[in-house]
Amino acid sequence: QVQLQESGPGLVKPSETLSLTCTVSGGSVRSGSYDWSWIRQPPGKGLEWIGNIYYSGSPKYNPSLKSRVTISLDTSKNQLSLKLSSVTAADTAVYYCARAGSSSFYFDSWGQGTLLTVSS
Amino acid sequence: EIVLTQSPDFQSVTPKEKVTITCRASQSIGSSLHWYQQKPDQSPKLLIKYASQSFSGVPSRFSGSGSGTDFTLTINSLEAEDAATYYCHQSSTLPWTFGQGTKVEIK
Repeated sequence: QVQLQESGPGLVKPSETLSLTCTVSGGSVRSGSYDWSWIRQPPGKGLEWIGNIYYSGSPKYNPSLKSRVTISLDTSKNQLSLKLSSVTAADTAVYYCARAGSSSFYFDSWGQGTLLTVSS
Repeated sequence: EIVLTQSPDFQSVTPKEKVTITCRASQSIGSSLHWYQQKPDQSPKLLIKYASQSFSGVPSRFSGSGSGTDFTLTINSLEAEDAATYYCHQSSTLPWTFGQGTKVEIK
């Protein structure tokens, strides 16, 4: 059974770039059957899809964040990563990585999430 | 982007009661609508895929229906463990979007 585990710094200063990693176990990010997303949830609020990546394709991003987001895969470590530049307090959220079928598009596996706080 | 609007935002329900949550899309999405359950301090879990297909291991009291723009999640005979926030999600058109959530409280 696939497991996803997010990791990150916990605290980032305004205007800096946040970097998060999601380590996948029990499955491979090189699998052509799945794509891998980042989703975030501000405290007490709903879910926002940030973007996704498929092993043999280009990443896709939410237009609301596209100018600041980079999602990539590290196949040697079986990880996906998220970089979000020029962060503000509005980027404070729990960040989840999640797996979806490459042709089915629902999120069948989620990490436990990592809280990222933007504060000076 | 496609906007999903859930109703109600909050529902307080007694055990064994039936719960109905609706999700309305701002344009037709066929059956590309999925439902998730999120308990406090946990990540969301998939309940229903493609409007009406139960995901593996989900109790049979959870069911979904609808197509086009109007969808429903039904919980028959609510149990205490069903206290959670429920979200719909559309995968018809990028960017993927979620409803604002419906919180179900047990009386």
